[in-house]
Amino acid sequence: ILNVEQSPQSLHVQEGDSTNFTCSFPSSNFYALHWYRWETAKSPEALFVMTLNGDEKKKGRISATLNTKEGYSYLYIKGSQPEDSATYLCAFGRAGNMLTFGGGTRLMVKP
Amino acid sequence: SQTIHQWPATLVQPVGSPLSLECTVEGTSNPNLYWYRQAAGRGLQLLFYSVGIGQISSEVPQNLSASRPQDRQFILSSKKLLLSDSGFYLCAWEQGYSPLHFGNGTRLTVT
Repeated sequence: ILNVEQSPQSLHVQEGDSTNFTCSFPSSNFYALHWYRWETAKSPEALFVMTLNGDEKKKGRISATLNTKEGYSYLYIKGSQPEDSATYLCAFGRAGNMLTFGGGTRLMVKP
Repeated sequence: SQTIHQWPATLVQPVGSPLSLECTVEGTSNPNLYWYRQAAGRGLQLLFYSVGIGQISSEVPQNLSASRPQDRQFILSSKKLLLSDSGFYLCAWEQGYSPLHFGNGTRLTVT
């Protein structure tokens, strides 16, 4: 069983704050790291798929970095808005293996 | 474009009753198909995946089974539900290590 940890489990921030959270995964046999956003009453949607050490991806105010040698990825949200409130999931994959999801970080942005 | 349909959206079933959740994908052929479950307060747990018709792999031994009678149809079943089967079930598809595309999910409550 692969250990994929996300921290913190939950996070409350004020509108306008920037925030970040972490996904830790095994550093051996890395293939891909996915980030998903899961809003209440909706299905998870992919944010990023990262495959190379040192990858940085950006979509609007959200960005992610990847360190496969030490086994972590950071997700950053700049200037949080209430609509960013969601659970953010990371998923780790090894070649030929299925994705293993972390427990998620639940973000709540207060207006 | 590809779409995924999952039904029903909610289900309340008594302990010991059977279960059948259905998922269909349109707009693609030979997708990899997945069933995930989110138990209360936990992340996404992979239950079953399928790389082709009649090919089912189970990740976790349990009270559930899956079948893929057609290329784009994935069914999750149980002969006798347990209280511990309650949770949120998600069907997903992908091809070639692309991001997962999720259905809208089924909220199952076993009473």
